[in-house]
Amino acid sequence: GAVVSQHPSRVICKSGTSVKIECRSLDFQATTMFWYRQFPKQSLMLMATSNEGSKATYEQGVEKDKFLINHASLTLSTLTVTSAHPEDSSFYICSVPGENDRGEQFFGPGTRLTVL
Amino acid sequence: GQNIDQPTEMTATEGAIVQINCTYQTSGFNGLFWYQQHAGEAPTFLSYNVLDGLEEKGRFSSFLSRSKGYSYLLLKELQMKDSASYLCAATDSNYQLIWGAGTKLIIKP
Repeated sequence: GAVVSQHPSRVICKSGTSVKIECRSLDFQATTMFWYRQFPKQSLMLMATSNEGSKATYEQGVEKDKFLINHASLTLSTLTVTSAHPEDSSFYICSVPGENDRGEQFFGPGTRLTVL
Repeated sequence: GQNIDQPTEMTATEGAIVQINCTYQTSGFNGLFWYQQHAGEAPTFLSYNVLDGLEEKGRFSSFLSRSKGYSYLLLKELQMKDSASYLCAATDSNYQLIWGAGTKLIIKP
């Protein structure tokens, strides 16, 4: 399966600042990447689908002006949480679809964001 | 609407067998995944079923009944390292993954 990295693994920031999270597909060219958010003891919630060379597709209820996604190359997608607030504190995970057509996804290690 | 149901938490004893059930309702169906997620880590792939029946992979097996909208994950010879959350996810007609809330499995010595 695909190998996916994320950076940083943990970040603590002050309220009102912006945080950028990088997702890299290390051995696979990904035209699509997925961004998830997971609150404690809850399931994965799909935030958006990142598309290389075009605009991301956001899920209902996700503010696209707050969560900026850029998919500039086939191996890199970034998620920027703008003007972060404590309620944005969460575990953010990206994933890459598998090469077969069955819908499998391979996940990065996740980024733990804490907003003070 | 689309929905995945699985128990919130289960407890089992080291060395025993545990079965985690999952029922799903999706717009179309193109297969069901089980993922394992340790606390603070990302999910890792365990199994995939698209046809009815049992898929066995070492200590883990997964079963699917499409007519019943039902799957289970069977873990044998439980080890302490199996303590984790187990996520059931079904793919809909667009191959989008619909996630369950996960089942937290606690293994006791």
